[in-house]
Amino acid sequence: SQQGEEDPQALSIQEGENATMNCSYKTSINNLQWYRQNSGRGLVHLILIRSNEREKHSGRLRVTLDTSKKSSSLLITASRAADTASYFCATAFTGGGNKLTFGTGTQLKVEL
Amino acid sequence: SQTIHQWPATLVQPVGSPLSLECTVEGTSNPNLYWYRQAAGRGLQLLFYSIGIDQISSEVPQNLSASRPQDRQFILSSKKLLLSDSGFYLCAWSAQITGRNEQFFGPGTRLTVL
Repeated sequence: SQQGEEDPQALSIQEGENATMNCSYKTSINNLQWYRQNSGRGLVHLILIRSNEREKHSGRLRVTLDTSKKSSSLLITASRAADTASYFCATAFTGGGNKLTFGTGTQLKVEL
Repeated sequence: SQTIHQWPATLVQPVGSPLSLECTVEGTSNPNLYWYRQAAGRGLQLLFYSIGIDQISSEVPQNLSASRPQDRQFILSSKKLLLSDSGFYLCAWSAQITGRNEQFFGPGTRLTVL
């Protein structure tokens, strides 16, 4: 299976702390994306990093990609209670067209 | 701007009954369309994807089928529901632009088969 895996499965932190989530995948990719899902809702696209990029920023989000290790990390700085959600990585694997393969997700809980 | 709609939001159906879930996209033309299923606390499983009208690929053998009668309409169906069809069904679209395959999701349909 080409499905990615997120680590940890669940993460609980205090507001203001940073949250780091990791994603590993198995095959060659064109790009890797991170999505957020609030409970019972659809997914929202956060950020895309291409296979030739190593780091990307968007607001309080920082994504890194290491294609040699087939891994990526998502860092959320200065977390807020509103960041509580599940976070998924998704890979566009080489030869897969426009399809994405989603990981199993990290449940983040930010407590006041 | 583009929007994606799904209905119904929730559905409770008996085993053996038919199913029809609808997804429509506004504000874009010729999108790629996707149906996913998400089991409780799990990741997304791609069920079907479509690159155009009547062009649909099935990703996993199952009790479901999909149709795309219009460019921006995607329908998920079943003739006879099974208990294992319960789950959260998500429709998504992406643009037909090479290198830009971000997907945009609808609000989902929660299906419970009893």
